[in-house]
Amino acid sequence: GAGVSQSPSNKVTEKGKDVELRCDPISGHTALYWYRQSLGQGLEFLIYFQGNSAPDKSGLPSDRFSAERTGGSVSTLTIQRTQQEDSAVYLCASSLGAGPYYNEQFFGPGTRLTVL
Amino acid sequence: KNEVEQSPQNLTAQEGEFITINCSYSVGISALHWLQQHPGGGIVSLFMLSSGKKKHGRLIATINIQEKHSSLHITASHPRDSAVYICAVHYSGGGADGLTFGKGTHLIIQP
Repeated sequence: GAGVSQSPSNKVTEKGKDVELRCDPISGHTALYWYRQSLGQGLEFLIYFQGNSAPDKSGLPSDRFSAERTGGSVSTLTIQRTQQEDSAVYLCASSLGAGPYYNEQFFGPGTRLTVL
Repeated sequence: KNEVEQSPQNLTAQEGEFITINCSYSVGISALHWLQQHPGGGIVSLFMLSSGKKKHGRLIATINIQEKHSSLHITASHPRDSAVYICAVHYSGGGADGLTFGKGTHLIIQP
């Protein structure tokens, strides 16, 4: 596709439910990133994938968060037992590679998650 | 903790004014990004730089690696430049390879 796409664009869920957020990176981009933007807060890094592997998961805020990427393309971010503090816009970005010279990141439109 | 500091937090200017937004960071980086986010909109990458200066149209970004400082300039500002401008860095060395972000500068250009 022309750019990074994310689905759904909006998700409203009840506290305690699980949610899955999806990211389709730009074709050919091997690096994929998940970020979170909470109301009144800046952007924070969650996790990145180089190919199918996630070298560092330390940015995930709790063990309720997990992410996977299969086939080196689509990624899903799963939040189990959602809490109200999980409400945020979840952004995905992709880049050609993960090194500094390939690191220009292209962002998706985000998924706005609201936990009631 | 590695931090990215931006100033000013908020800036209101008149159309046509020259705008400067500053960013400083604490440790060595491999690249610095300037991003733009319009209200309710997505994030667009404006520049990625690791040294020197880059120019796209009315936008200019500079970086001084020794001083750990970068500036984003907008010449002949226009109301459509109103947005949040975010500085982000890719730290060199180990650890997570995602970006570390500043809190953003909310720019309003009045006609």
